[in-house]
Formats: sequence, C-alpha cells, structure tokens
Amino acid sequence: EADIYQTPRYLVIGTGKKITLECSQTMGHDKMYWYQQDPGMELHLIHYSYGVNSTEKGDLSSESTVSRIRTEHFPLTLESARPSHTSQYLCASSGLSWGSATEAFFGQGTRLTVV
Amino acid sequence: GQQLNQSPQSMFIQEGEDVSMNCTSSSIFNTWLWYKQDPGEGPVLLIALYKAGELTSNGRLTAQFGITRKDSFLNISASIPSDVGIYFCAGLRSNFNKFYFGSGTKLNVKP
Repeated sequence: EADIYQTPRYLVIGTGKKITLECSQTMGHDKMYWYQQDPGMELHLIHYSYGVNSTEKGDLSSESTVSRIRTEHFPLTLESARPSHTSQYLCASSGLSWGSATEAFFGQGTRLTVV
Repeated sequence: GQQLNQSPQSMFIQEGEDVSMNCTSSSIFNTWLWYKQDPGEGPVLLIALYKAGELTSNGRLTAQFGITRKDSFLNISASIPSDVGIYFCAGLRSNFNKFYFGSGTKLNVKP
C-alpha cells in the first residue's frame, strides 16, 4: 500500500483566499508530482520535482506554486483562489531508480471548490 | 501535451463479460502502467510492465507491453460490478522525468 497522504480531502473556500494543499510521502521517493483533474476527465500535470529544491512546471499552465524543502513534503499553494481553480488536485510520487523502472503512487486527492 | 491515445473512451458491459482496452503512442516507452480510479479517489496502480512483450497478470487482470514499445493493453476477465471505474494507462520514457497518461476508459458494468 502506498504511503502518500494529502490533506485536506475536501476544501470549500471563498474567492481571493490563500490556500495550501499538503502532500507528504514516507517512501523516500525523490520525484513528486501534482496533477489537476476535473471529475471523470484526464490528468493534467501542473508541477513536478526531481528532489529537494527542484521544482518544474508541468504541461498545464497553473497559477499555483509549489516548494520542495524536504524530500517527503511537496505542498501546493494558491495565493488567491478563484472559481476557475475548482477541481481535484492529485499528488503522486515515484522512486528515483537508474537502470530500472519506477512506478507512480497517488494520494487520495484534494477536492477544491472555490465559491 | 498528450502523447498516449487510450481507447475505448467508455464501455457499457454486462456482468461476467470480458473487457479489453488499449493505449497507443507514437513514442517509445520503457515502462507501461495501468491504474484504476474510483470516483473521488486517487488512481491506484494495478499492473506495471517493464519489458517489451511482457505479459503480466493480477487476478482477473492481464496486461501486455507491446513488442514495439509503443502500445499496451489491459484485459479484465469475468467482470464484476466493483470493476466499475476509470482505467488509465501511463507511460514512462527513458529520461524518467515524468509520466504520460492516457485520457482514461470509463467502465460501466451492469449487474
């Protein structure tokens, strides 16, 4: 069973508020990812990290920012939430493994609703 | 952008029937992964494939890594109602940077 946790599971917040979505993993994985997903739709990569102090933007442009100060922690922040940010946010991690394959493990997701 | 083509987009089947779905790409992948996602939850890894031609089973699920390394398929035998969900394929290329996901196959099973 994957040891990757996201909090909160559900968040309803007013427009203009600053929010931070938490993601932690206890597997010692170097790579971590944030995906945005509308219900029943495909996953869009918005941020990823190769390791501590490394962050990259993903394929889908996002107004959110991320940080990676510790290996196990990869929080996502929205400085000013808007209704267009309403979506499910999924965090994932994978092992750094040269010469062999790796697998991505997902948290349960945070369902964000901005009103 | 999207590099994996997953089909079919959705399926409506009767309980007990077998199911097949596939992913294709114009690019070569070194790893193929298959996930299942229930509503409101994160995707859960079902099967991982690491070698071209590899055939791997997990209970009623069987997946294969295509010989060309550009495709993979997932079969579910004797479907049951709890198989309902969205199935995603994912590919990992040689640079290990990020995973590419298919658009998903929504499976509905009638009891």
